[in-house]
Amino acid sequence: KQEVTQIPAALSVPEGENLVLNCSFTDSAIYNLQWFRQDPGKGLTSLLLIQSSQREQTSGRLNASLDKSSGRSTLYIAASQPGDSATYLCAVILNTGGFKTIFGAGTRLFVKA
Amino acid sequence: NAGVMQNPRHLVRRRGQEARLRCSPMKGHSHVYWYRQLPEEGLKFMVYLQKENIIDESGMPKERFSAEFPKEGPSILRIQQVVRGDSAAYFCASSPTGQPNYGYTFGSGTRLTVV
Repeated sequence: KQEVTQIPAALSVPEGENLVLNCSFTDSAIYNLQWFRQDPGKGLTSLLLIQSSQREQTSGRLNASLDKSSGRSTLYIAASQPGDSATYLCAVILNTGGFKTIFGAGTRLFVKA
Repeated sequence: NAGVMQNPRHLVRRRGQEARLRCSPMKGHSHVYWYRQLPEEGLKFMVYLQKENIIDESGMPKERFSAEFPKEGPSILRIQQVVRGDSAAYFCASSPTGQPNYGYTFGSGTRLTVV
């Protein structure tokens, strides 16, 4: 059974710090992996999508990497800002004869001004 | 492009009432997915529909829950005889095809509170 684990569950950092959020999954046969941001009481905003054949994707201050063999993805946020405070969700999309998406429980990030 | 539209944003129901949650996918998207998020938990898959068809309902409780995506109009998630444990945020996502080559686009969710 595919499990998606995100570590840490919560993180508090001072503004300007670079940080890494981790996502691990048990089944390496993934189709792709998507990182989302969720603000309190809001929906999900897609940040980055990594296809299974890719190693990383970048968008602005965000960089996501994927290592299928070790079952890990990381989301790197450079020069963090208070506006980055949110919950970050990792979603693994599997192709098991049909597509299924498994979400991690998320990392709650708080960036202090 | 209005994105994925869900309504209502907030819904309060008394125990035993029915809850109807609506989802209009992005323009050009014919595949809809419903997820439930309990407090402090990740999203859990409920059901996947394509126009007029349920493709996968493996995550949906067998009783009281149903979903449809008619030829015309939004997808509806229906919860009959709601109980307090149904209180959660319900999210809808859509994609243009059944292959998530570009991932999923989510709506803002409906927050159901059962009192």
